[in-house]
Amino acid sequence: EVQLLESGGGLIQPGGSLRLSCAASGFTFSSYAMSWVRHVPGKGLEWVSTISGSGENTFYADSVRGRFTISRDNSRDTLYLQMNSLRSEDTAVFYCAKGAPAGNDALFDYWGQGSLVTVSS
Amino acid sequence: EIVMTQSPATLSVSPGERATLSCRASQSVRSNLAWYQQKPGQAPRLLIFDASTRATGIPARFSGSGSGTEYTLTISSLQSEDFAVYYCQQYSTWPPWTFGQGTTVETK
Repeated sequence: EVQLLESGGGLIQPGGSLRLSCAASGFTFSSYAMSWVRHVPGKGLEWVSTISGSGENTFYADSVRGRFTISRDNSRDTLYLQMNSLRSEDTAVFYCAKGAPAGNDALFDYWGQGSLVTVSS
Repeated sequence: EIVMTQSPATLSVSPGERATLSCRASQSVRSNLAWYQQKPGQAPRLLIFDASTRATGIPARFSGSGSGTEYTLTISSLQSEDFAVYYCQQYSTWPPWTFGQGTTVETK
C-alpha cells in the first residue's frame, strides 16, 4: 500500500524558513517523480514543484522559484521541500504527491495527508 | 501557462441525480486531463486520467469525456459520499501544471 506522510509544517513568521519532509513507503521511491502541491485555504490547488526520480531534474512554479528548493533522498525514501523567505501568501496545506507510472510525472496518483504551513507574524 | 476554467463553481444536486461538471482549457491539452475529488480535511484523490480512464478503485458511476479544450466529468447517480470539491488538472504542457479552481458539489 502506497503511503506518503508529510511533516515539518507549522507557524512561521514572514521571511522565515521551514523544511517539509515526506516519508514514502509501499513503492519503489526512486522510480517515480515526486511533487509538492499546495491548497490555499478557500482557494484551489496549486502545483509548487516536481523532482525526477533520480533527483537530477527539478521544476518550480514561478511563485516559489528562487525561494523553495525540492530535493529527495532515495536511500531514505524521503522527499523534502526547503522553503525560505516565506510570505503570507505561502500559507497553505502542502501535499506531497507521487507521479504516475509510464513517465506521467505530473499525473498525481497518490497524495499524502498534507502539512499545514502558516506564515504570520 | 494553460488556464483551466471549471463550471459551475457550485452544483446543487439531490442524491441519486446526475451531476455534470465542465472543465475548459485555454489551449488543447490533448486529453492529458485528470479529475480529482477532495473532501474537507482530506487529500485529493485521483478519479479520472487521460480524460476518460477511471483510476484504480473508482466506481463506474464516475465517467470522464472530452478532447482538445473541453472536458466533462459525469457522476451518474450521486451517492452521499460524492458530495465534495472536484478539480480538473492538465498535465499536457509543463511547467507549470495547472488546476481548475474547483467545482463544489453540494446537496440540493
